[in-house]
Amino acid sequence: AQKVTQAQTEISVVEKEDVTLDCVYETRDTTYYLFWYKQPPSGELVFLIRRNSFDEQNEISGRYSWNFQKSTSSFNFTITASQVVDSAVYFCALSGSILGGTSYGKLTFGQGTILTVHP
Amino acid sequence: DSGVTQTPKHLITATGQRVTLRCSPRSGDLSVYWYQQSLDQGLQFLIQYYNGEERAKGNILERFSAQQFPDLHSELNLSSLELGDSALYFCASSPGGVEVLETQYFGPGTRLLVL
Repeated sequence: AQKVTQAQTEISVVEKEDVTLDCVYETRDTTYYLFWYKQPPSGELVFLIRRNSFDEQNEISGRYSWNFQKSTSSFNFTITASQVVDSAVYFCALSGSILGGTSYGKLTFGQGTILTVHP
Repeated sequence: DSGVTQTPKHLITATGQRVTLRCSPRSGDLSVYWYQQSLDQGLQFLIQYYNGEERAKGNILERFSAQQFPDLHSELNLSSLELGDSALYFCASSPGGVEVLETQYFGPGTRLLVL
């Protein structure tokens, strides 16, 4: 069975601080995908990034960066110079990538981290 | 805007009733997924359809059923509703997910309240 753990239930920071959201996963699949989604107060789920288990390169997109470490089964998300608009619930998710596998296509989500950025 | 539409946005109903949630995938997407988000269970995968056929099933109750129509829109039917079915129901879509797993793009959700 797959499992995603986001140990930080809530994080509160002041604008311009850097913040890292932790994500640890468990899977028996040898190939898989990891995702981060953002859920702002309006409620929709917004896709942020997808990472293939073969690709351990870190990725940066503007103020966002992701650190994937297969050795520790972690896929952490850092927001640099946080802004009030970053306030949201952030979800880490996992899916098998083998067609026909039991976890293919099904996203397993963590419990989410509520990030509040104060002005 | 992800391009996935869901109707209605809000639904209030009583226990024992039946409701239908509707989802239109992004243009060109063949796969539709349904998820339930509740306070106690978090975000849970319910079911996936690909081009009209059921492809994968998650923790979907027997009281719940879904289908995908020839025009690729999907409906999730919830019957004999209980208080615990109150949740945010999301639909997501992806192009196909046949050889390479593709990203799922989520709709705005339908918020169901069972009284």
